[in-house]
Amino acid sequence: DVVMTQSPLSLPVTLGQPASISCRSNQSLLHSDGNTYLNWFQQRPGQSPRRLIYKVSKRDSGVPDRFSGSGSGTDFTLKISRVEAEDVGFYYCMQGTHWPRTFGQGTKVEIK
Amino acid sequence: QVQLVQSGSELKKPGASVNISCKASGYSFSDYTMNWVRQAPGQGLEWMGWINTNTGNPTYAQGFTGRFVFSLDTSVSTAYLQIISLKTEDTAVYYCARDSQSSSWGQGTLVTVSS
Repeated sequence: DVVMTQSPLSLPVTLGQPASISCRSNQSLLHSDGNTYLNWFQQRPGQSPRRLIYKVSKRDSGVPDRFSGSGSGTDFTLKISRVEAEDVGFYYCMQGTHWPRTFGQGTKVEIK
Repeated sequence: QVQLVQSGSELKKPGASVNISCKASGYSFSDYTMNWVRQAPGQGLEWMGWINTNTGNPTYAQGFTGRFVFSLDTSVSTAYLQIISLKTEDTAVYYCARDSQSSSWGQGTLVTVSS
């Protein structure tokens, strides 16, 4: 199975400041169809996960543009340009290239 | 809009079975696969497998074979997760999530297994 490793696992941030989460896979996520299926999910306290980013950098409908995704191959990043209070929660990367699908351990974002 | 509505919380004793439903609306049910994801208390997300909503063919991740059963009722656009011979370690929130990239999620169903 593909192992997804996130860092940091805990990220205290100041409101209005940027935040960055890394996600690394132990195999390339480049699919034979030419796409790279790396997704990012947000899970606010007490809520179900919500997908923010798919195919590395494409934002889902309704996702604020302060969220951006980048990367290729085995190395990916989720960035929040200016953290807001509603961004508190856990963030997970998930690879959608290989079976079985696998998630990172999750990164807890909290306000300092 | 796409909606996945899951059945309510369950409290079960060890050895019992539970059936969780996931009713889809806002799209053509058979056009997208359905995944199941487990989240144990205080833990991360664990992908359990998926079911082909055209053929009904399920695929289970390692660790979810034998006691976990995915099924469908396409007439009511609903996917089901049955867990048999429940163990205390099955206590978790179970989510359904649409398509191979999990674009939309249900609200989750808490299953508590306790004697």
